[in-house]
Amino acid sequence: DIVMTQSPDSLVVSLGERATINCKSGQSVLHSSKKKNYLAWFQQKPGQPPKLLIYWASTRESGVPDRFSGSGSGTDFTLTISSLQAEDVAVYYCQQYYGNPPTFGQGTRLEIK
Amino acid sequence: QVQLVQSGAEVKKPGASVKVSCKASGYTFTSYGISWVRQAPGQGLEWMGWISAHNGKTNYAQKFRDRISMTTDTSTSTVYMELRSLRSDDTAVFYCARDNQVLPFDPWGQGTLVTVSS
Repeated sequence: DIVMTQSPDSLVVSLGERATINCKSGQSVLHSSKKKNYLAWFQQKPGQPPKLLIYWASTRESGVPDRFSGSGSGTDFTLTISSLQAEDVAVYYCQQYYGNPPTFGQGTRLEIK
Repeated sequence: QVQLVQSGAEVKKPGASVKVSCKASGYTFTSYGISWVRQAPGQGLEWMGWISAHNGKTNYAQKFRDRISMTTDTSTSTVYMELRSLRSDDTAVFYCARDNQVLPFDPWGQGTLVTVSS
């Protein structure tokens, strides 16, 4: 199984400031011929199911605010929230959908300072 | 709009089975599969398995392989997940999610809380 490791486990950021979450995969999730990284980011708020934010490592899902961006390739990825809003308080998960089984990071809890 | 609606919360005794349903709407049911994901209280996300709504082919996570079954009913666009031999540590919210094995899971059902307690 591909192990996904996120850092940090929790993050406290002031409103309007940048938040950065990292995700490292145990092996590359880059499909060499398709030139796509099979890496997604989800946001989960309390009592709600996860919501897809980013796929192919950097493609923003329709309707997701442009303050959310994804970057990285191979084994190292980053989710950045450029200017934190109060509604961004949530747990964020990365997920690889390259290998079988699909696997998730342990989650990063984002809070407001 | 694409929507997955799951059945309601369940309370089960250890050793029992639970069957959770996931009804799809807003897309061609047989063009996608459905994955199931478990989330224990306060914990992360754990993939349990996948079923094709096209032909019923399944792919179960090794951890659940001996006590999980997934089935489909194309007449009602519904997928079922049955988990047997329940233990207290199976207490969790179970989610279904649309999955074509190329794109990530999207959307997700609202979740079904299964509580296992004597």
